[in-house]
Amino acid sequence: EVQLVESGGGLVQPGGSLRLSCAASGFSFSGYWMHWVRQAPRKGLVWVSGINPDGSYTVYADSVRGRFTISRDNAKNTLYLEMNSLRAEDTAVYYCTRDVRWGPGTMVIVSS
Amino acid sequence: DIVMTQSPDSLTVSLGERATINCKSSQSVLYSSNNKNALAWYQQKPGQPPKLLINWASTRESGVPDRFSGSESGTDFTLTISSLQAEDVAVYYCQQYLGAPTFGQGTKLEIK
Repeated sequence: EVQLVESGGGLVQPGGSLRLSCAASGFSFSGYWMHWVRQAPRKGLVWVSGINPDGSYTVYADSVRGRFTISRDNAKNTLYLEMNSLRAEDTAVYYCTRDVRWGPGTMVIVSS
Repeated sequence: DIVMTQSPDSLTVSLGERATINCKSSQSVLYSSNNKNALAWYQQKPGQPPKLLINWASTRESGVPDRFSGSESGTDFTLTISSLQAEDVAVYYCQQYLGAPTFGQGTKLEIK
């Protein structure tokens, strides 16, 4: 069974940084594109970033490009999202996804 | 980017009646390897992650009641709930997963 479990969320001040992790199990992690999707409070689902199976190619939404960095460690079956220069509008639940499989999400709150 | 246009934004239906939600993709989401459309439907209740109902446009996820069904015609997709139950009150999203995932804006389903 595919399992994705995010961690690393929390409260951070504007301009601060946070690193999210996603532990994957139940499938061959190194064979799949992985993505981060976020959902701001009472809003819809928005794709944030994606990474190809071997980690050599990454893509970002315009709203986070230059501030967020996606990466993966296939030996550890773990996906990461390094978030810098955080803004209030980055406040959201962040989900790790593999096509139609989702983790439970981790909450990020950017506030002073 | 593939734009997903979902309608209506909200829907009020009586218990036992049919609910229909539509989604249109701005371009084909046909996955060439299996000749199926990479289109999923989710149900989301407050405080919970999206729950997968349908993938490949019409394949019901295991455990999902058979009152939920998906259909397709080119780039037009439909989620139908044949006989609305009280527990179906939620927000519903469509998603394409051919490339970087994109989502419809959501449909809030309520009981009349």
